[in-house]
Amino acid sequence: RKEVEQDPGPFNVPEGATVAFNCTYSNSASQSFFWYRQDCRKEPKLLMSVHSSGNEDGRFTAQLNRASQYISLLIRDSKLSDSATYLCVVTGNQFYFGTGTSLTVIP
Amino acid sequence: SAVISQKPSRDICQRGTSLTIQCQVDSQVTMMFWYRQQPGQSLTLIATANQGSEATYESGFVIDKFPISRPNLTFSTLTVSNMSPEDSSIYLCSVEAWNIQYFGAGTRLSVL
Repeated sequence: RKEVEQDPGPFNVPEGATVAFNCTYSNSASQSFFWYRQDCRKEPKLLMSVHSSGNEDGRFTAQLNRASQYISLLIRDSKLSDSATYLCVVTGNQFYFGTGTSLTVIP
Repeated sequence: SAVISQKPSRDICQRGTSLTIQCQVDSQVTMMFWYRQQPGQSLTLIATANQGSEATYESGFVIDKFPISRPNLTFSTLTVSNMSPEDSSIYLCSVEAWNIQYFGAGTRLSVL
């Protein structure tokens, strides 16, 4: 079983829509959780860390459910510039990356 | 944050040759990582490079094929040896700082 699993999408949504991504992880002892963003032909960059109580950064909300072992990312009021691949990252004895979820925001 | 300079940014190589990728960090870091990312795929960890010790390789990757150097706390190299077309990929250097991973811009390698 993979350490981290994500729905690869693609998600195609209109501007202004709300979209949510989920990610499950297999190791209940995982310690830290992140969402990274990767633009086409670019390196991954940290979008936000995921706190136990959930956290919000502008239009982005991240949540963690330890009991069910999943994390989520909610994007409100989608912008064209949100088009990218979103990678779920979980740490244990190393950083484990999901395969990424592709998002395209359509005008 | 950590700023990482990785070079070359891209290269086209003949099979059987070797390419060395360099990674320079703007601050001293204990752990540096080398990843490979195939088109449309996620990141695969090749090895972890710690200063002053042998790199730790993940399953499926060996030192003879991917020798790594880590001469100090700000620099590392990855060599892709005896290349074949299957080695065509993006190679990414990464460091861990304050429990976050930061990446170099990557090296896009094509092997003919």
